[in-house]
Amino acid sequence: QVQLRESGPGLVKPSETLSLTCSVSGGSISNHYWSWVRQPPGKGLEWIGYIHYSGSTNYSPSLESRITISLDTSKNQFSLNLNSVTAADTAVYYCVRSSSSGGYWGQGTLVTVSS
Amino acid sequence: QAVVTQEPSLTVSPGGTVTLTCGSSTGAVTNGHYPYWIQQKPGQVPRTLIYDTANRHSWTPARFSGSLLGGRAALTLSGALPEDEADYYCWLSFGRGRPWVFGGGTKLTVL
Repeated sequence: QVQLRESGPGLVKPSETLSLTCSVSGGSISNHYWSWVRQPPGKGLEWIGYIHYSGSTNYSPSLESRITISLDTSKNQFSLNLNSVTAADTAVYYCVRSSSSGGYWGQGTLVTVSS
Repeated sequence: QAVVTQEPSLTVSPGGTVTLTCGSSTGAVTNGHYPYWIQQKPGQVPRTLIYDTANRHSWTPARFSGSLLGGRAALTLSGALPEDEADYYCWLSFGRGRPWVFGGGTKLTVL
C-alpha cells in the first residue's frame, strides 16, 4: 500500500520560504500526478499544484507566482517551495497522489507562519 | 478559474439516503473532469472515497456510490450511519494545464 509522508519546518517567518518534502513508499513515483493541497485552520481544502511524473507542472493561478514543485525520482520524493509567505499561508499541508488508480493522502503537516 | 459548488450542509436520518452534488461554473460536469469525492471527519486526515466519477477505493464502504446526475457529479450515501458524519469535498480536474479545483465542501449531519 502506497504511503506518503510530509516533512519540513513547522514554523516559518513572514517573507521567508516554506519548503516541504513528501516521501513516497510502497510504490514508484512514476505514472502518477503528485499534488500539494493545503487546509487553513477551520477552512476547506485548497489545491496548490501538481507535478506529473514526466516533470510537467500545473499550479493554482492564485499561487503560481510564488510556488515551485519539483520531483526527485532517485529518492522517491517530491517537494514544495512557497516563497514570500505571510500569515495567510498558515495551514496543514498535504501531499497527494492521484491517478487512474485513485487518490492517496499523506498525514499532513501543520506549517505556521509567524515571527 | 472555475468555481466548484457544493451544498454547504445536508442532514440525513440514520439508515436514510442522501445525495451530495458538485457543480462547475464552466458548465456540466462530465467524466472528463475525473471527479473525486473526499471525506474528512473531524480532526482527521482527508481520504478519497470515490475517484474518476464512480470508482471506490478498497476502504470505501459499499453504501457510498458516485455518479453523474443532471450535469453535476453526485455522491450518494445509502443507509447512513452516525460514523458518516463528516465534511465531503468534491475535486475536479479542468484539463491539461488547467487548475484542479476543490468545492467548498458539504457538512453532512446524520441525525
